[in-house]
Amino acid sequence: DAGVTQSPTHLIKTRGQQVTLRCSPKSGHDTVSWYQQALGQGPQFIFQYYEEEERQRGNFPDRFSGHQFPNYSSELNVNALLLGDSALYLCASSIRDPGDYGYTFGSGTRLTVV
Amino acid sequence: AQTVTQSQPEMSVQEAETVTLSCTYDTSESDYYLFWYKQPPSRQMILVIRQEAYKQQNATENRFSVNFQKAAKSFSLKISDSQLGDAAMYFCAYRSRGSGNTGKLIFGQGTTLQVKP
Repeated sequence: DAGVTQSPTHLIKTRGQQVTLRCSPKSGHDTVSWYQQALGQGPQFIFQYYEEEERQRGNFPDRFSGHQFPNYSSELNVNALLLGDSALYLCASSIRDPGDYGYTFGSGTRLTVV
Repeated sequence: AQTVTQSQPEMSVQEAETVTLSCTYDTSESDYYLFWYKQPPSRQMILVIRQEAYKQQNATENRFSVNFQKAAKSFSLKISDSQLGDAAMYFCAYRSRGSGNTGKLIFGQGTTLQVKP
């Protein structure tokens, strides 16, 4: 049973560029959440997608946008990259109402902005 | 807004010994979940243990147990018989349980656990 798959694993971009990160949820999961984890810090919630719509959003600027496809996979797009966007981006999948279960996380995409 | 605080950036334990990681949180809600996640160098977050706020009994999963003090808003993790494979960064996380809640996780800053052979 495949878990959460994220691609690419590492990425280097230049300030001002745009980037797209991808996530395939665990089989049976229909909800995808994205988190940003700065080095040595805890993950911060970016947004969550369910039924191809953004269900909730954290405190991130509009430069961060996302999409969910009919097969439940998701993309995270970041425009006009800043040095401060350098971080590990984690994708987590779940069923819509996961109860007391945590989420299944991917291994993340390490984004470096230079 | 809810917050989660882990005041121990780093902890160290001898193999086979017991260690306790601390976590406090702040919320005005009465119904929520608390979690401990482990993040090894592979970067994937792995669920260690979960606790429902309305359950008074502390959760236990093999060598891992929690001390949940709801009134004090404290949620510590005890690792017994520590193993080399326990070395990782540990995160405490909070999730609301109310209706309409999307399940957003709020994480603490993390504690890096070193296990010495």
